[in-house]
Amino acid sequence: EVQLLESGGGLVQPGGSLRLSCVASGLTFSNYDMNWVRRAPGKSLEWVSTVTATGVHTYYADSVKGRFTISRDNSKNTLYLQMNNLGLEDTAIYYCAKVPVPTMKGADDYWGQGTLVTVSS
Amino acid sequence: QMTQSPSILSASVGDRVTITCRASQSVSVWLAWYQQKPGKAPNLLIHKSSILKSGVPSRFSGSGSGTEFTLTIASLQPDDFATYFCHQYHTYPCTFGQGTKLEIK
Repeated sequence: EVQLLESGGGLVQPGGSLRLSCVASGLTFSNYDMNWVRRAPGKSLEWVSTVTATGVHTYYADSVKGRFTISRDNSKNTLYLQMNNLGLEDTAIYYCAKVPVPTMKGADDYWGQGTLVTVSS
Repeated sequence: QMTQSPSILSASVGDRVTITCRASQSVSVWLAWYQQKPGKAPNLLIHKSSILKSGVPSRFSGSGSGTEFTLTIASLQPDDFATYFCHQYHTYPCTFGQGTKLEIK
């Protein structure tokens, strides 16, 4: 059974930083492009970022470009999202996910349970 | 940009419903549909416009290409009342539609 377990969410002040982690099990992690997707309260899903299987290529939503950094450690089956200069608009549940993306259009989808990030003063 | 409609849909068990997603430019067939229930992660229903994910009931179907796509539920079941999202994965940045909340009438 595939499991994606996120951690690192919490309450942070505007301008602050957080680092999310996602540990994967039950799949060959190094074979897959991995993603962060978020859903803010009352809003739609928003794709945040993708890192390719080898970690060489990264892609970002315009809303987070320059503030967020996605990375992975295939030796630890772990995906990361470093979030800097957080704003109120970044408040959301953040999901670690393997979903179809332009660089890996396969049919599988796996999601974590989500971790809540709240940006508030 | 993906424009999804309607934003809210009220229907009854047994109804046939259709949700539409329109892309601002062609995404070929690279369009997926997700279902999300409160407090849960999304779940992929359909990928590549019309291919049902394994295990998804056959009452769900998808169609379209280019800029116009539809998700149809042939006969609504109680478990289907949820929020549905389209998602284009033709090019980066990937984009989701605004969502359609399917409510019980």
